[in-house]
Amino acid sequence: GESVGLHLPTLSVQEGDNSIINCAYSNSASDYFIWYKQESGKGPQFIIDIRSNMDKRQGQRVTVLLNKTVKHLSLQIAATQPGDSAVYFCAENGAGNMLTFGGGTRLMVKP
Amino acid sequence: EAGVAQSPRYKIIEKRQSVAFWCNPISGHATLYWYQQILGQGPKLLIQFQNNGVVDDSQLPKDRFSAERLKGVDSTLKIQPAKLEDSAVYLCASSAYRGYGYTFGSGTRLTVV
Repeated sequence: GESVGLHLPTLSVQEGDNSIINCAYSNSASDYFIWYKQESGKGPQFIIDIRSNMDKRQGQRVTVLLNKTVKHLSLQIAATQPGDSAVYFCAENGAGNMLTFGGGTRLMVKP
Repeated sequence: EAGVAQSPRYKIIEKRQSVAFWCNPISGHATLYWYQQILGQGPKLLIQFQNNGVVDDSQLPKDRFSAERLKGVDSTLKIQPAKLEDSAVYLCASSAYRGYGYTFGSGTRLTVV
C-alpha cells in the first residue's frame, strides 16, 4: 500500500519576492539551530545556523531569526529564485548533542 | 573535500527480507549518524556513533535494526526482517564535532513491498 506521511505545509511565492519560512522548536534547552534545504532525491543541505546567544544571523540572501521566548525560528530568503524551490527543515541541537528535525515546509517559486 | 558516500541509492525488497546500507563519512569526521526519513516527514535519528562506539541508539528498533561502525570509519545499517513501514530514505551524516557541522549523504531509498 501507499505509505502515508504528514502532509507538508507549502509556501508558494513569486520569483523575486521574499520568502519567510517559520518553525516552532520544542526544547527550551537547545543551544544551536540549523536550517536545511532538501531537494528531491538529495540529502539535507546546510543553509545557515544560529546559536542560542544570538537573535539574528545573516548569510547570502538568507537570514535566520531566533525568538527564544516563544521558541520560534524563521528563515527569510531574499529575492527568491526558482532554484530555491525545495523542502526546508529547521533542526535543533538539544540533549545529547543530537539534531532533532522539524516537519518541513515546501517552498514553491513561481516564475 | 569528498562528501558522505552512501550505497546503494535505491533498494526494493519484499517484506521479511533483509537489507544492508553502507556509509562512508567525510574523512576525519569522528561522529556518524543514521537517520530515517519517511515520505513527507523530517529525518528521525536512529543511531549516533562517536568513532566506533555507540553514543545513542534509543530510537533504533533493535528487534530488527542493527548498525555497526568497525574501525571508526565506514558504517553499515541492517534491517532484518523488513516490514512495509520501513519504506523510507535512510540518510547517513557525519560531523567533526558532535552536534555541529553535519554533512548528509544523498541517502538510500528503500521500498518494502
